[in-house]
Amino acid sequence: AQSVTQLDSQVPVFEEAPVELRCNYSSSVSVYLFWYVQYPNQGLQLLLKYLSGSTLVKGINGFEAEFNKSQTSFHLRKPSVHISDTAEYFCAVRGFKTIFGAGTRLFVKA
Amino acid sequence: SAVISQKPSRDICQRGTSLTIQCQVDSQVTMMFWYRQQPGQSLTLIATANQGSEATYESGFVIDKFPISRPNLTFSTLTVSNMSPEDSSIYLCSVEADTYEQYFGPGTRLTVT
Repeated sequence: AQSVTQLDSQVPVFEEAPVELRCNYSSSVSVYLFWYVQYPNQGLQLLLKYLSGSTLVKGINGFEAEFNKSQTSFHLRKPSVHISDTAEYFCAVRGFKTIFGAGTRLFVKA
Repeated sequence: SAVISQKPSRDICQRGTSLTIQCQVDSQVTMMFWYRQQPGQSLTLIATANQGSEATYESGFVIDKFPISRPNLTFSTLTVSNMSPEDSSIYLCSVEADTYEQYFGPGTRLTVT
């Protein structure tokens, strides 16, 4: 069985501050991990992915995520956010199939 | 990557009617997926559509309510049948790349009155 838990439903943060969006997963098989972003009234697009190799992966728009196998986590980070980063962020796990987390709404304030 | 288009982008339908949503991909793909996303919520997989075989439905979704066609490797349709207000949602189609990431269409926003 697989599951994905995004620990924060909403994260408000001031512009230029750092942010971390947390994601934990469980699976009985090896998995691939993804973060997707959904801007208001748009479809989902891939931010970054972890398939194998280096546990720190970099994505678009200055985001990065670190795979921690022992803690079964894949937290998303950005050192300095912009107003334009306001969006819904989904963590996803691909084992037998892809399962999406409930989403974290990042709200960047001026 | 893949570019996916969906039609219609939005619709308002009356209770008891049906709506067919089209999904077109710019390249040939084996599997296409249909998701439902209710306002402020995550994605729920409705079914997986493989070309040349019956769609595989997830628990809670049935073919009579959500019939799917997959006539070729670039196109699929999802019909929402006998609609009720509870079917109001965003419907998304997606495809999976060789490295397992998914590419999504822009979605169809359905409102049932």
